[in-house]
Amino acid sequence: DAKTTQPTSMDCAEGRAANLPCNHSTISGNEYVYWYRQIHSQGPQYIIHGLKNNETNEMASLIITEDRKSSTLILPHATLRDTAVYYCIVRVTNDMRFGAGTRLTVKP
Amino acid sequence: EAQVTQNPRYLITVTGKKLTVTCSQNMNHEYMSWYRQDPGLGLRQIYYSMNVEVTDKGDVPEGYKVSRKEKRNFPLILESPSPNQTSLYFCASTRSGRAPYEQYFGPGTRLTVT
Repeated sequence: DAKTTQPTSMDCAEGRAANLPCNHSTISGNEYVYWYRQIHSQGPQYIIHGLKNNETNEMASLIITEDRKSSTLILPHATLRDTAVYYCIVRVTNDMRFGAGTRLTVKP
Repeated sequence: EAQVTQNPRYLITVTGKKLTVTCSQNMNHEYMSWYRQDPGLGLRQIYYSMNVEVTDKGDVPEGYKVSRKEKRNFPLILESPSPNQTSLYFCASTRSGRAPYEQYFGPGTRLTVT
């Protein structure tokens, strides 16, 4: 399975867009890119996933580069409640493997 | 409301005293799994189940047992708990283990073994 690389931490101003990058240069053709987040010690929460095309839902947008070697999760208008650890996961099957993720802090 | 429930939410026990953490989902999901989360080590998968009567080891199965006798339940059993099993445990479920469906996680069980 492809490994992912994410920044350890990021800050974002409340109301601004949060752009969280993820590198997955060894991704294979049948692997999906998933994003989950974990707020404090709660159970992880699914955000979005994609294969090749960009995806958008009510929570976020996922931009995948054409070569699929990297992706960006976009929270369009970050709020204080979006402060969490964000995990980028690349998998063929649905058994998630969580790395260290990016700790996003949204500041007033 | 679609949800994954775990019980108990908090448990303090002693070494060697068998315990079971229950997990139940109300979404008719085929796939269920257990994770543990430890500081600096992140979330690691313990066991998973692709369907009823089908279970398999994850990355850290030692010291744990599971069973999947019915679709909605996936209990985690610690036959002889030890202090190194002190951790935060999460159960998860999804429609299928083979397709890209979202996983739903339970609220977690914080276990302390003294």
